[in-house]
Amino acid sequence: QSVLTQPPSASGTPGQRVTISCSGTTSNIGSNIVNWYQQLPGTAPKLLISSTNQRPSGVPDRFSGSKFGTSASLAISGLQSEDEADYYCSAWDDILDGVVFGGGTKLTVL
Amino acid sequence: QVQLVESGGGVVQPGRSLRLSCAASQFTFRTYVMHWVRQAPGKGLEWVAGISNDGNKKYYADSVRGRFTISRDNSKNTLYLQMNSLRAEDSAVYFCATDSTPMLVVGIFDHWGQGSLVTVSS
Repeated sequence: QSVLTQPPSASGTPGQRVTISCSGTTSNIGSNIVNWYQQLPGTAPKLLISSTNQRPSGVPDRFSGSKFGTSASLAISGLQSEDEADYYCSAWDDILDGVVFGGGTKLTVL
Repeated sequence: QVQLVESGGGVVQPGRSLRLSCAASQFTFRTYVMHWVRQAPGKGLEWVAGISNDGNKKYYADSVRGRFTISRDNSKNTLYLQMNSLRAEDSAVYFCATDSTPMLVVGIFDHWGQGSLVTVSS
């Protein structure tokens, strides 16, 4: 049971816009930044979005993040086949005094 | 190019111990907070532990507190995870990762190693 809640799966067709949600509480998302990671099959995770809505160098601007209250979202516009991967949200938790992750969302490009 | 190379994984019996290492290079290791994150087969990511750049402050997930110890040797640019009293549910790929901001614990993992597989089985 993950502290942050994500839908287990999402899907879209090429060119579409998809969003992945991440729900938490006041001790994590509600009071701290949210980060998103992309994990391609058989590889280590890669930082996709940091500090809720900042893209590290090299991440296409098709990826964007947002937060409202105790929930956050990752949006992917202009969906491409190479976006098919697992996506994880994370945040620091002030009560647990550590990082918490969502359970991950498997994105399928139809 | 930041490099993180984990080693020390393998098959171990329940109740035994194992120590993982993470050799860091191509960045100023002593200025960065470091973390361990694990992923059980077919499962999601789970943060395990973090350590301040000077090694004086350590953070643990409840699932490993009291059994695992994170440490670092800045003279050797190496991060460690001592795992004692191992259980079947500790079986996972263990990744080491850098925190993004020098000397600050922010929980943004901007560089990852390739992972080291630990299997706890009799």
